[in-house]
Amino acid sequence: DTEVTQTPKHLVMGMTNKKSLKCEQHMGHRAMYWYKQKAKKPPELMFVYSYEKLSINESVPSRFSPECPNSSLLNLHLHALQPEDSALYLCASSQDRVDTEAFFGQGTRLTVV
Amino acid sequence: KNQVEQSPQSLIILEGKNCTLQCNYTVSPFSNLRWYKQDTGRGPVSLTIMTFSENTKSNGRYTATLDADTKQSSLHITASQLSDSASYICVGPRGNNRLAFGKGNQVVVIP
Repeated sequence: DTEVTQTPKHLVMGMTNKKSLKCEQHMGHRAMYWYKQKAKKPPELMFVYSYEKLSINESVPSRFSPECPNSSLLNLHLHALQPEDSALYLCASSQDRVDTEAFFGQGTRLTVV
Repeated sequence: KNQVEQSPQSLIILEGKNCTLQCNYTVSPFSNLRWYKQDTGRGPVSLTIMTFSENTKSNGRYTATLDADTKQSSLHITASQLSDSASYICVGPRGNNRLAFGKGNQVVVIP
């Protein structure tokens, strides 16, 4: 099983809403990642969790709050987003470090209205 | 400077024809290079991952090559199908637990 599962697939939220994106993998990977991708652009790294600890935060605004409840799950909590935050949010996992093969989920298409 | 450069930016090919996509990378030290296929609005799907010692790797109709001396990789698509229409992204680790992404080759296959 090389699957990374993201839910929901699509999300529309208002600027005052609170929502969460979820990501799950059962490959025993110990590194998990959140990326943001705008149309026709490469993914941009947001956060990296390594062994359930936040190891990288790419200066992401605090309206995005990551959480890693256990080694299989990764959440991204959203609050008071702006329309420019609309994008495809990708979760990925790899065995432990980024130089091992990374597997991506199918993404959550987020629209902020 | 982007450490992964891809060309051509986009191309249109007839169904059944072959095409080759190019990737030049300057990430150092080199550990591996990957090709992903990304359909519009979906997550990237891994096609191949190649290490320093591998110079050719196939996955069905996709064949990747790697020249570690010139730091060039190519992805060859054989007998293209309509479902091959996608963005093909070249990716390499660039240290500090981060990946360097190319901007992708946008391929459109027409009947």
